Amino acid sequence: NAGVTQTPKFQVLKTGQSMTLQCAQDMNHNSMYWYRQDPGMGLRLIYYSASEGTTDKGEVPNGYNVSRLNKREFSLRLESAAPSQTSVYFCATRELGRDTQYFGPGTRLTVL
Amino acid sequence: AQTVTQSQPEMSVQEAETVTLSCTYDTSENNYYLFWYKQPPSRQMILVIRQEAYKQQNATENRFSVNFQKAAKSFSLKISDSQLGDTAMYFCAFMKIFGNEKLTFGTGTRLTIIP
Repeated sequence: NAGVTQTPKFQVLKTGQSMTLQCAQDMNHNSMYWYRQDPGMGLRLIYYSASEGTTDKGEVPNGYNVSRLNKREFSLRLESAAPSQTSVYFCATRELGRDTQYFGPGTRLTVL
Repeated sequence: AQTVTQSQPEMSVQEAETVTLSCTYDTSENNYYLFWYKQPPSRQMILVIRQEAYKQQNATENRFSVNFQKAAKSFSLKISDSQLGDTAMYFCAFMKIFGNEKLTFGTGTRLTIIP
């Protein structure tokens, strides 16, 4: 079992470019999350999905969109990247009724 | 809204010694979980230990234990017999039980184990 996988691991974008970060899980979990991690700060929630077909905003959703097309996959899209979106992005999953979240390895994104 | 505060940005300790990392939180919730996550240089977020707020007994996991003081809203992590592999960032996190169950993280403590 791969657990939670994220692609790509690293990405460099120019301001204004768009891209999609992919997250997939084989843990059969219902809930999925996108966090960002900035220096000197803990992880902050961007968006989450309690179940397939549903998404909700987290603490810092501006500039992002998400898609939960099926139970396994939850993608994060930057439509027009800005330098302020330079960060490490983590995807996480959680089983319904359980408390622990399991994290992917992260994507380091740099926007020039 | 919940907040989590880790007041020690960096700590270092000699190998085999004991170290305690501090965490305080603010919430009006009565039912919640608290976590300590470890982030080594590999960047992977690894769950170290978890505590249910309704349990008075402090959680332990091998060399890791917590001191949970609910009234004081304090949740410290003690690492005994520290090892070089314990070198990492440590994040304290809060999750309320009902709602979107998102994690609220502190800013982290960078722990270095000195050989």
